[in-house]
Amino acid sequence: DAKTTQPNSMESNEEEPVHLPCNHSTISGTDYIHWYRQLPSQGPEYVIHGLTSNVNNRMASLAIAEDRKSSTLILHRATLRDAAVYYCILTLLGTYKYIFGTGTRLKVLA
Amino acid sequence: DAGVIQSPRHEVTEMGQEVTLRCKPISGHNSLFWYRQTMMRGLELLIYFNNNVPIDDSGMPEDRFSAKMPNASFSTLKIQPSEPRDSAVYFCASSRAGGPTDTQYFGPGTRLTVL
Repeated sequence: DAKTTQPNSMESNEEEPVHLPCNHSTISGTDYIHWYRQLPSQGPEYVIHGLTSNVNNRMASLAIAEDRKSSTLILHRATLRDAAVYYCILTLLGTYKYIFGTGTRLKVLA
Repeated sequence: DAGVIQSPRHEVTEMGQEVTLRCKPISGHNSLFWYRQTMMRGLELLIYFNNNVPIDDSGMPEDRFSAKMPNASFSTLKIQPSEPRDSAVYFCASSRAGGPTDTQYFGPGTRLTVL
């Protein structure tokens, strides 16, 4: 399975944009890129996913590098409620399996 | 929608006892996943069901662990006998079809402590 690498932790000020990076240099052409986050004492929740093109939804944006070896989750205006561990996950086309890495712990400062 | 429901939310038991964790997936979802989360190993997939049939149980740590899905609205994860190293948070998740773009919806988890 392709691996992902994320920084262990990041900090952001409230109401500022946050860019969370993820490296996946061994990604294959059919791997989807998913982002989930886990708020304290909760189960993971879906944030966004994409294959090749950049994606936007009400929660965030996903910017995928042209060679697909990296991606960035963008929170446009961080709030205190966005403090969580953010996981970048790859799934092979035709499979269901999520391999969770250690994720990035985002701290949002008031 | 009630979301994925897990019970109990907390379980404290003594080594050697049988533990049963329960999960009710979201109605209409055909795929169900059991995960375990520990500080040391992070989130690990234990077993995956599709249409009530176990498809992949390669993550089940050993024979002490078993999982069943008798119908589309209920699944159990049983540990017998339990050991202190089984202490973890166990999550159940469901998705519509289990495909690579299907969102997995996680329950709140069961925090298990084995003394």
